[in-house]
Amino acid sequence: GDKVKQSPSALSLQEGTNSALRCNFSIAATTVQWFLQNPRGSLMNLFYLVPGTKENGRLKSAFDSKESYSTLHIRDAQLEDSGTYFCAAEANSAGNKLTFGIGTRVLVRP
Amino acid sequence: ETAVFQTPNYHVTQVGNEVSFNCKQTLGHDTMYWYKQDSKKLLKIMFSYNNKQLIVNETVPRRFSPQSSDKAHLNLRIKSVEPEDSAVYLCASSLGQDQDTQYFGPGTRLLVL
Repeated sequence: GDKVKQSPSALSLQEGTNSALRCNFSIAATTVQWFLQNPRGSLMNLFYLVPGTKENGRLKSAFDSKESYSTLHIRDAQLEDSGTYFCAAEANSAGNKLTFGIGTRVLVRP
Repeated sequence: ETAVFQTPNYHVTQVGNEVSFNCKQTLGHDTMYWYKQDSKKLLKIMFSYNNKQLIVNETVPRRFSPQSSDKAHLNLRIKSVEPEDSAVYLCASSLGQDQDTQYFGPGTRLLVL
């Protein structure tokens, strides 16, 4: 988790509000992936990013390789958004293996 | 939609026993992976295979051995389990070995008593 630092570690959101998660990298990340692990443990891929921005429904993610960070924005949070969000980076120095952050636990309250 | 399948879902065993976990993907991908997720939720890669060939073998104890019969299957055998092997083992696949989206299975939860 040192090479990929996620913040905050936990987040409690009111349904319908917006929030942002962040990953800072101490490796030269070339690509970033964001995942959501639901309470049952299933890991779902949300985004695969090269430097730039992607949007999917209420989720939007950005990856800035020069400043070594990535963000995930949640708009109009819903109860099913609850879970643990992981970011993972690939870097040439790491043999293109995915290095994961420790995750952000998100709880959306009604 | 689940396209990476893992069995069993849960396994409870005693120290010293041998266990084997199965993983199958129906996505037609060339690369498969095994990750270990510890009690602190940190995910770490253990092995990856590309077209039945081992391409990544992180520093894991020798009692762990991956087995691949074809590119759609990657099993994991643990010869003599230790208490620290208790974790969730996640299988994943991707189209190629570099810079491709990874798709994960539901995981196998192992408890070593």
